[in-house]
Amino acid sequence: AQRVTQPEKLLSVFKGAPVELKCNYSYSGSPELFWYVQYSRQRLQLLLRHISRESIKGFTADLNKGETSFHLKKPFAQEEDSAMYYCALRKDYGGATNKLIFGTGTLLAVQP
Amino acid sequence: GAGVSQSPSNKVTEKGKDVELRCDPISGHTALYWYRQSLGQGLEFLIYFQGNSAPDKSGLPSDRFSAERTGGSVSTLTIQRTQQEDSAVYLCASSSRTSGRILDTQYFGPGTRLTVL
Repeated sequence: AQRVTQPEKLLSVFKGAPVELKCNYSYSGSPELFWYVQYSRQRLQLLLRHISRESIKGFTADLNKGETSFHLKKPFAQEEDSAMYYCALRKDYGGATNKLIFGTGTLLAVQP
Repeated sequence: GAGVSQSPSNKVTEKGKDVELRCDPISGHTALYWYRQSLGQGLEFLIYFQGNSAPDKSGLPSDRFSAERTGGSVSTLTIQRTQQEDSAVYLCASSSRTSGRILDTQYFGPGTRLTVL
């Protein structure tokens, strides 16, 4: 069965420090990986997806198939980055379903 | 444009009662999803509708849960004989499924917070 693991429930860093939110997955196929973010009192929204290879709000994530990881990184954290971050997996594109399998989330708290 | 909307935003009910949660997807989106967000559990997939295809119900936790989508638009998630463990935030999302991956992004609604006393 597919699984997404986010080992840290809470990550607290100081403003300007580097951030790495860990995500590991288990799936034997070729998945798509996503990071979603939920700011306080806002709805869940897509931050980035591995196929886009983009940097969004200074965040990047590289899919490492060998380590089955998709860690989210930012070199210098900002206070406005404080939010709940969810890693998610979708099975091979074009399959019968488009459902996302989410991790349990990591709360990022950036201290001033 | 308008995003995904859900109603009610909050629902408090007594154990054993039935509840209905509503989702209005983004206009034109053919795919609709329901997820459940429980404390410490993350987001759990419940059910997925895509056009006229048979829904993927593989995530529904029991036969007390059902969902329908009328006219390819609005969806209703029904929980019968609610239990305390059903307390959670129920999220709806929609997407425009095409051959292009970028347009498959799921847009989420604000959720319905269900509390079963």
